[in-house]
Amino acid sequence: GQQLNQSPQSMFIQEGEDVSMNCTSSSIFNTWLWYKQDPGEGPVLLIALYKAGELTSNGRLTAQFGITRKDSFLNISASIPSDVGIYFCAGALGQNFVFGPGTRLSVLP
Amino acid sequence: GAVVSQHPSWVICKSGTSVKIECRSLDFQATTMFWYRQFPKQSLMLMATSNEGSKATYEQGVEKDKFLINHASLTLSTLTVTSAHPEDSSFYICSAPGGLNSPLHFGNGTRLTVT
Repeated sequence: GQQLNQSPQSMFIQEGEDVSMNCTSSSIFNTWLWYKQDPGEGPVLLIALYKAGELTSNGRLTAQFGITRKDSFLNISASIPSDVGIYFCAGALGQNFVFGPGTRLSVLP
Repeated sequence: GAVVSQHPSWVICKSGTSVKIECRSLDFQATTMFWYRQFPKQSLMLMATSNEGSKATYEQGVEKDKFLINHASLTLSTLTVTSAHPEDSSFYICSAPGGLNSPLHFGNGTRLTVT
């Protein structure tokens, strides 16, 4: 079946640093989504991307829909302690949603 | 924005009993809802797709008689874990798309512990 590769698997950064993570697939998608999950809670939507090449920001977060429709990246600028969590990418084709394995982010004070 | 409510947020039950988890779309209608299971430090594993007015579609390896899904209305889907065993202990999360070509919105999950 379809699979997404997400990297890095985990990362430790200092507070204030910028973060970059990406998601790749062997299949094309019409939509790319980025979610953040805090411990014991459901994932929360951060950014939704609908067009190839689209670059969208949400506060300190910026994400891009790759031009090939097979990848996407998420950047977080000036990280803060509450950025800690697991970040999931998801590719969607119609009502078919495929999730990446997640990037676990730790922010050191 | 689209809100999905899941209840209960946690439940502890004894082996052999059944547990029902509810997933409601609060401000939109959902003909389709998805049920996921998540093990510690792992990604979301799709269990089944709940379809309003018809049978759920189960992923390979998921026992449909074990995990009963009912999508009785356009705003409610339920997952019943029947004859629960300790290995069923996990974090269960539901989600629903906010509309056609809309992203998935997730409930807050249910932590099931079977003793």
